[in-house]
Amino acid sequence: KQEVTQIPAALSVPEGENLVLNCSFTDSAIYNLQWFRQDPGKGLTSLLLIQSSQREQTSGRLNASLDKSSGRSTLYIAASQPGDSATYLCAVFFNKFYFGSGTKLNVKP
Amino acid sequence: KAGVTQTPRYLIKTRGQQVTLSCSPISGHRSVSWYQQTPGQGLQFLFEYFSETQRNKGNFPGRFSGRQFSNSRSEMNVSTLELGDSALYLCASSFGPGRTSSGTGELFFGEGSRLTVL
Repeated sequence: KQEVTQIPAALSVPEGENLVLNCSFTDSAIYNLQWFRQDPGKGLTSLLLIQSSQREQTSGRLNASLDKSSGRSTLYIAASQPGDSATYLCAVFFNKFYFGSGTKLNVKP
Repeated sequence: KAGVTQTPRYLIKTRGQQVTLSCSPISGHRSVSWYQQTPGQGLQFLFEYFSETQRNKGNFPGRFSGRQFSNSRSEMNVSTLELGDSALYLCASSFGPGRTSSGTGELFFGEGSRLTVL
């Protein structure tokens, strides 16, 4: 059974800092991995999708990497801003999506 | 291009009642999945429909049911509501499960329906 873990559960950093969020999964047989952000009481917003054949994807200040063999993905956020404060979730797809429990990020001004 | 639309956004029910939630996927998307999100349990998968057929079902009691129509719109129903059913119900759509010739399988979520059971 696929299990997705995100560490840390919460993170607080000063504005401007570069940071890395981690996602690990137990079964490497995945089709793709997707990162989302969720603001309180809102739906999930798709940030990046990495296909199983890809190693990384970039969008603006965000960069996500995927290492299927080790069952890991990282989301790198450069020059963090208070507007980045949200919960970040990763999900892997094999037959259906499996979600991690998220990392709650607080960027202090 | 319109996103995933969920209605109603907020609703309050009492124990024992039933509720129906609606989800209109992004145009062209044929896969719709439903999730329950609570502070204690996180995001829990309910079920997924593709081309009007249920592909997957999570570990929820039979009080939770769903269906998908020929236009890909989906509804979920919860009967005999319990206090523990209070949650944010999220709908997501994609072209199809995994990778298909139509797209990458990227998942897009609606804003959710906030259900409060009193």
